[in-house]
Amino acid sequence: GQQVMQIPQYQHVQEGEDFTTYCNSSTTLSNIQWYKQRPGGHPVFLIQLVKSGEVKKQKRLTFQFGEAKKNSSLHITATQTTDVGTYFCAGSNAGGTSYGKLTFGQGTILTVHP
Amino acid sequence: ETGVTQTPRHLVMGMTNKKSLKCEQHLGHNAMYWYKQSAKKPLELMFVYSLEERVENNSVPSRFSPECPNSSHLFLHLHTLQPEDSALYLCASSQGLSEWFSYEQYFGPGTRLTVT
Repeated sequence: GQQVMQIPQYQHVQEGEDFTTYCNSSTTLSNIQWYKQRPGGHPVFLIQLVKSGEVKKQKRLTFQFGEAKKNSSLHITATQTTDVGTYFCAGSNAGGTSYGKLTFGQGTILTVHP
Repeated sequence: ETGVTQTPRHLVMGMTNKKSLKCEQHLGHNAMYWYKQSAKKPLELMFVYSLEERVENNSVPSRFSPECPNSSHLFLHLHTLQPEDSALYLCASSQGLSEWFSYEQYFGPGTRLTVT
């Protein structure tokens, strides 16, 4: 079955440093989504990438979708304490059999030290 | 956010109990999902419903029984659970389902389940 691997599992940064998490799929994806889960909270949708090589920005967050549509990354510039949480990528398998099923990566837990 | 609500928020049950988790979405969505989130594991999809029809059962043990009476409500009936079933159970909804595309999902706050 489809597997989505996410690294690193943990990342500790000082406030102001940059942060990147990477997502790799064993199969080609039709699209990839990113979610953020604050401690004690629930996943909240951040963005969706659909096109090969797509890059999207949300303020200090930059999302990329690989040319082969098998990998993606989330980069945060100048982290703030409000960025603390777990960041998940979630991919949907290309091929028309998934019925929108998302396979989640295991997440990257980001800690930001003030 | 109150788009997707879940009750109860916390539940402690013995292995011989029967209980139900409830999810309600107020977004006019047509698809609903149950996920299990355990410590240090990825979100595990359990069930998917589209327009009240189950379209996915992700090899979930029969001690978990879903019910979707209408497109706004989703239940998860629990019976004879095991301690390893202790986890956060998340409900989500999306605009719909597509063979070729996945819509963004809106999650509820979850039910923290402890099986003793």
